[in-house]
Amino acid sequence: ILNVEQSPQSLHVQEGDSTNFTCSFPSSNFYALHWYRWETAKSPEALFVMTLNGDEKKKGRISATLNTKEGYSYLYIKGSQPEDSATYLCALPLTSGTYKYIFGTGTRLKVLA
Amino acid sequence: DSGVTQTPKHLITATGQRVTLRCSPRSGDLSVYWYQQSLDQGLQFLIQYYNGEERAKGNILERFSAQQFPDLHSELNLSSLELGDSALYFCASSVDGATNEKLFFGSGTQLSVL
Repeated sequence: ILNVEQSPQSLHVQEGDSTNFTCSFPSSNFYALHWYRWETAKSPEALFVMTLNGDEKKKGRISATLNTKEGYSYLYIKGSQPEDSATYLCALPLTSGTYKYIFGTGTRLKVLA
Repeated sequence: DSGVTQTPKHLITATGQRVTLRCSPRSGDLSVYWYQQSLDQGLQFLIQYYNGEERAKGNILERFSAQQFPDLHSELNLSSLELGDSALYFCASSVDGATNEKLFFGSGTQLSVL
């Protein structure tokens, strides 16, 4: 069973602060890692899909890195804004060819104005 | 708007009843996934269909079943409902289910079993 862990569970930061959180996963049988943003009363929205060790992705003030050998990915938010408040989920497919994406329980980010 | 349509948005029913949740994937997407989000639980994978065929199964209860129709819309049937089935049910779609494809989620169906 693939265990995907995210930390911290929740986070409060001030507007303008930069922050980061972690997604940890077993390093064997890695195929891809997804990051999603889930705002309250909305549906999860894809941020990044990462497939290669050392991959770095960026979208505006949000970026992510991937280390498949040690089994972790970091999501960074630079200069947090209130609209960044959301739950950030990571997900991995159980094995290649199957589609049992296992989601972590997420990091709930609250950016205080 | 993700392009994935789920109906109904809210459903209130009683224990023992049967309900059907409907999902229309994004135009062109062949793969449909169903997820359950309960209180204090992460998104739990239920089942996945690709072009009308079941592709993968998660911890879906025997009381639950799903199918994908020729027009690619999918339905999740929940029967003999119990209080514990109350949850937010999401449908997601992707082009062909490859692991490097983003999932596009619908807005969910909030099921309340009383």
